[in-house]
Amino acid sequence: NTVMTQSPTSMFISVGDRVTMNCKASQNVGTNVDWYQQKTGQSPKLLIYGASNRYTGVPDRFTGSGSGTDFTLTISNMQAEDLAVYYCLQYNYNPTFGGGTKLELK
Amino acid sequence: QVTLKESGPGILQPSHTLSLTCSFSGFSLSTYGMGVSWIRQPSGKGLEWLASIWWNGNTYNNPSLKSRLTVSKDTSNNQAFLKVTSVDTADTATYYCAHTLNYYSSYMGRYYYVMDAWGQGASVTVSS
Repeated sequence: NTVMTQSPTSMFISVGDRVTMNCKASQNVGTNVDWYQQKTGQSPKLLIYGASNRYTGVPDRFTGSGSGTDFTLTISNMQAEDLAVYYCLQYNYNPTFGGGTKLELK
Repeated sequence: QVTLKESGPGILQPSHTLSLTCSFSGFSLSTYGMGVSWIRQPSGKGLEWLASIWWNGNTYNNPSLKSRLTVSKDTSNNQAFLKVTSVDTADTATYYCAHTLNYYSSYMGRYYYVMDAWGQGASVTVSS
């Protein structure tokens, strides 16, 4: 299995912050990476597909980038509604999720 | 609008077989490119992809669960199914099904894979 390692595992942030989280693949996955957001008590929701494409309705403060083994999700101007756990997923091989990055308020 | 809902036994005993149903609307599993994936999440932990079934009947399972998984579908009734054999306490989790697309963008010249709608999840506890 391709291992996806997310960092950091948690972040304490303030509203208005610029937030950057990372996902590293154990082998080259091209740009075959999606990002999902899961708020407490809810099902995950698709944010970014193909490493850098925003899904329908996703605010433009969310930006995905990267290729090969290193991927980044950036939230510019963090909002309280963005508090959640974020997961990356690679689908170049059998799909595997990263362990998640949890965003919490300072 | 695509909606999905999982249903299952709630609780079952170790060594038994877990059977889950995903009932969906808003798409057909006979349409090219459409699929349903199963994902689980132990309480307080991360997501694990289990399996996917596609419009053409092809199925893909997580190799770490080896031959314990079986996915199937009933296209006429808009349902997909997951069976997990020989369960133990490690299989205790919330199980999700998700509408999955694997499509080719001629504009971008590449394939995309997205799980763009998820069910609410079914809680499963394995306990004696």
